[in-house]
Amino acid sequence: AQSVTQLDSQVPVFEEAPVELRCNYSSSVSVYLFWYVQYPNQGLQLLLKYLSGSTLVKGINGFEAEFNKSQTSFHLRKPSVHISDTAEYFCAVVRDSNYQLIWGAGTKLIIKP
Amino acid sequence: GAGVSQTPSNKVTEKGKYVELRCDPISGHTALYWYRQSLGQGPEFLIYFQGTGAADDSGLPNDRFFAVRPEGSVSTLKIQRTERGDSAVYLCASSLTASNEQFFGPGTRLTVL
Repeated sequence: AQSVTQLDSQVPVFEEAPVELRCNYSSSVSVYLFWYVQYPNQGLQLLLKYLSGSTLVKGINGFEAEFNKSQTSFHLRKPSVHISDTAEYFCAVVRDSNYQLIWGAGTKLIIKP
Repeated sequence: GAGVSQTPSNKVTEKGKYVELRCDPISGHTALYWYRQSLGQGPEFLIYFQGTGAADDSGLPNDRFFAVRPEGSVSTLKIQRTERGDSAVYLCASSLTASNEQFFGPGTRLTVL
């Protein structure tokens, strides 16, 4: 069975500082990996995805993530956060040739002015 | 173009009542998904439609939950004899096909008193 662990329920960070949101997954088969963002009172929006190829994936709004197969991780990073990045971030996996997303519990990114 | 829409945005009901939650997917998307998101958790898969048929309903928690998609477009999630534990945000997503990116609606917040 697959599972996704987001190690931090909340991450407070000062504006313009860098941030890393951690995600680890467990799976015995190949997976596709996703980060979604949920802004206050809005639906989930795809931030970036890893399907294959380069392990460094760039997404929207200056975010990027690195797939590390040996550590089964897919951590999300941004070099300089803005107040508008305040949101909840979800990591998800899907087994290749499948459709069922398995989700982490989410990490709330709190930007301090 | 229009995204996935869900109605109502909020639903408050009493224990034991019947509720229907509606999802309008993106036009032309053949795949439709329902998820449930409880407070402090990531979304949890409920059911997946390919066209008019439920291809996978393994996530429905019990037989009080049922969903339909009679014309392969709009879907309705039906919950009978609601219980307080059914309180959650119910999310709908659609994708062009099962292996494509899922686009999410804003969700319906269900509160069972």
